[in-house]
Amino acid sequence: DTEVTQTPKHLVMGMTNKKSLKCEQHMGHRAMYWYKQKAKKPPELMFVYSYEKLSINESVPSRFSPECPNSSLLNLHLHALQPEDSALYLCASSQMLQSSGNTIYFGEGSWLTVV
Amino acid sequence: SQKIEQNSEALNIQEGKTATLTCNYTNYSPAYLQWYRQDPGRGPVFLLLIRENEKEKRKERLKVTFDTTLKQSLFHITASQPADSATYLCALDMRGNTPLVFGKGTRLSVIA
Repeated sequence: DTEVTQTPKHLVMGMTNKKSLKCEQHMGHRAMYWYKQKAKKPPELMFVYSYEKLSINESVPSRFSPECPNSSLLNLHLHALQPEDSALYLCASSQMLQSSGNTIYFGEGSWLTVV
Repeated sequence: SQKIEQNSEALNIQEGKTATLTCNYTNYSPAYLQWYRQDPGRGPVFLLLIRENEKEKRKERLKVTFDTTLKQSLFHITASQPADSATYLCALDMRGNTPLVFGKGTRLSVIA
């Protein structure tokens, strides 16, 4: 079982809705990530938080808004999404962002469908 | 330009044979190379990590090689089983504050 917990597992939302995806880890990791994955494609990095500060934003549209309330929690706020944003959203964590042979622990993902 | 390529999108092999998956990269200098397994509808799971100064790493039926001259890693599953069927992703682990760079993955099907 993964040690990164994501909720909800499935979400259907309309294009005018506001919703949030939540992620939690209790491994003491200081780097947390959001990835987006479409069918038969690799995970695509969206955001990275390092020590609770946004470290990387891969030019993600502003309709996706990340938040890191504390070192264990990571949220992704969703507003005015488009149908093409439908995908599997993966949260992940690692000990830290710098390369030291860190492995990334992924959650099970949240399946998002925008209608 | 920088590229990371996994040789096959899909690979079918017979149960009991050795599966070999390839990961090639250009214009990167990874300090480490990692392999992950992903089952449909689930998050990737870490399998193995190999450092740039290591030639080979083993874990049970898995073996990874890393050739920094060829800029290639090979991932082997010996005595493959249907339960090994999944997508396998390689990922480059760079120096500095940069996240992993994932390949597109190879979907392995082990046929009984």
